[in-house]
Amino acid sequence: DSGVTQTPKHLITATGQRVTLRCSPRSGDLSVYWYQQSLDQGLQFLIQYYNGEERAKGNILERFSAQQFPDLHSELNLSSLELGDSALYFCASSGTGAENTEAFFGQGTRLTVV
Amino acid sequence: AQSVTQLGSHVSVSEGALVLLRCNYSSSVPPYLFWYVQYPNQGLQLLLKYTSAATLVKGINGFEAEFKKSETSFHLTKPSAHMSDAAEYFCAVSGNAGNMLTFGGGTRLMVKP
Repeated sequence: DSGVTQTPKHLITATGQRVTLRCSPRSGDLSVYWYQQSLDQGLQFLIQYYNGEERAKGNILERFSAQQFPDLHSELNLSSLELGDSALYFCASSGTGAENTEAFFGQGTRLTVV
Repeated sequence: AQSVTQLGSHVSVSEGALVLLRCNYSSSVPPYLFWYVQYPNQGLQLLLKYTSAATLVKGINGFEAEFKKSETSFHLTKPSAHMSDAAEYFCAVSGNAGNMLTFGGGTRLMVKP
């Protein structure tokens, strides 16, 4: 158990809809990352938040947005969903300081758009 | 900018044989390097990491990796494969502690009895 919790585990929704994925980081971790894993694109970094502020942005579509709340949990919002958005979405968290170099991953949310 | 190349999307070994999974990286700064393992329907679990200390890094489950700057490589090895090692393995690089990870394409390891 990594200590990172993601809900829901599975989500099936129709094209054009909007969904919210939730992530609770490990206790004390200030950084939260979102990654997308798909067969054609592999594992891609979407966005990072640090203590409530956006820190880095990767290949995140404009239809997608995220935020990190004061209690450090994070949500990834996906809107106007397309078939191609079907993927496994991972959240990861990490601590601060030079000794906290690794990210701990949640079990992922499998999104199926039909 | 960083990038990672994993040679061989599929590797098959016999139980008890040496496991060698290849990873080459590109980084404009001294890299932090990681190997993660993903079992079916699971998240990614850290196997080991390199953070500029010892170049030979030992991880969990008997895996180790050697950082070779001259070859820009960080290959993963295990002397003797076990059936339970069958999984997908990802090499990743970041430019600094707390930075996002750039992953390779992954290598699916199959272990034959």
